[in-house]
Amino acid sequence: ELKVEQNPLFLSMQEGKNYTIYCNYSTTSDRLYWYRQDPGKSLESLFVLLSNGAVKQEGRLMASLDTKARLSTLHITAAVHDLSATYFCAVDPSGTYKYIFGTGTRLKVLA
Amino acid sequence: DTAVSQTPKYLVTQMGNDKSIKCEQNLGHDTMYWYKQDSKKFLKIMFSYNNKELIINETVPNRFSPKSPDKAHLNLHINSLELGDSAVYFCASSQDVVRGDYGYTFGSGTRLTVV
Repeated sequence: ELKVEQNPLFLSMQEGKNYTIYCNYSTTSDRLYWYRQDPGKSLESLFVLLSNGAVKQEGRLMASLDTKARLSTLHITAAVHDLSATYFCAVDPSGTYKYIFGTGTRLKVLA
Repeated sequence: DTAVSQTPKYLVTQMGNDKSIKCEQNLGHDTMYWYKQDSKKFLKIMFSYNNKELIINETVPNRFSPKSPDKAHLNLHINSLELGDSAVYFCASSQDVVRGDYGYTFGSGTRLTVV
């Protein structure tokens, strides 16, 4: 059974600190997606990673993909309170638009 | 505004009732989806339509029936609602990856509460 696991599930961090969220998946996938969800809100697309070695950055967030290790990371630099949200990764292993979502990482940035 | 629109946003209903959730996208996307998010925030795909054709039909009780009258609309009808159906239901859309893979665009969600 395909598994997409995120680590950690919960993360509480101080403003200004750096941290990395990990997304491991159990089958081959060339593509990986990161989404953000604020409480009670929809999911917002953050990054689309389409090949091995892909790296994308937006503001304080940087995502990377290692398809050989079946691992993606979401790195947070100098966290600010506005980054508090739940972050999901998702893979599409069969290339049929059927995303399998990770367990989510609930991030809380403390002022 | 270009978007994926769902109605209603909130739905509270009694067990045994039948209800529908509507979804419309004006992004020109080819594929639409229904996802269920449970109380632990876990997201699971239910159905997907590509140009009005059903392409993904996960193991979902047959009380749930999707309908796509055209490629811009995907509705979800639920018969004989049960307590366990309480969740947030998200509609999403995407364009064919041959035109570029930008991932899904999600609707705002419908919070269904069955009492």
